[in-house]
Amino acid sequence: QSALTQPASVSGSPGQSITISCTGTSSDVGGYNYVSWYQQHPGKAPKLMIYDVSKWPSGVSDRFSGSKSGNTASLTISGLQAEDEADYYCVSHAGTYYIFGSGTKVTVL
Amino acid sequence: QLQLQESGPGLVKPSETLSLTCTVSGGSISTSSYFWGWTRQPPGGGLEWVGSVYYSGTTYYKPSLKDRVTISIDTSKNQFSLKVSSVTAADTAVYYCARETKGSSSWQWGQGTLVTVS
Repeated sequence: QSALTQPASVSGSPGQSITISCTGTSSDVGGYNYVSWYQQHPGKAPKLMIYDVSKWPSGVSDRFSGSKSGNTASLTISGLQAEDEADYYCVSHAGTYYIFGSGTKVTVL
Repeated sequence: QLQLQESGPGLVKPSETLSLTCTVSGGSISTSSYFWGWTRQPPGGGLEWVGSVYYSGTTYYKPSLKDRVTISIDTSKNQFSLKVSSVTAADTAVYYCARETKGSSSWQWGQGTLVTVS
């Protein structure tokens, strides 16, 4: 039940692309295509950015994209913008429960 | 448009039971398409899934919390509830309720409510 592993921080300049990884096991990330990514600004509720590994909710920019390989899921933010600076969390189904990632702080330089 | 609103005491004493309710509007809670869940976030910390309930009353809990957590559903009131017993300061968190789509990881969240154990 340990949290999925994410890098504590990732940074990039405006316009660049960054990728956040989310590493689990074959019992969670690797075993299900039910991985989501959330963006959270300070004091706000999490906002769904990607679900089912690579699907976009209505209204979310296609600058955000998701993928998965083995036990690791990834979120890529293309064309980085100032408003992308936030905390990002992955979450994966794990059979009868869900596990969140440890969270990644994205800084726009 | 679906909305979820958490409600309950903002302050709970140690060793007592934390109780929260999530009221759903703009859609029925009595549907086989969704689970209704709770996630929490301690101040300055990460997100932690607590558990969820199906319209039938079937529940799923985070294994490390299952001995202290109870989630129930009241379809007549379009509400579901969370109880956490024997609370300590470690249970201080913003508690979010959410609609979890069955067969998908697409969730819709409430705005959250802060509960302090002190």
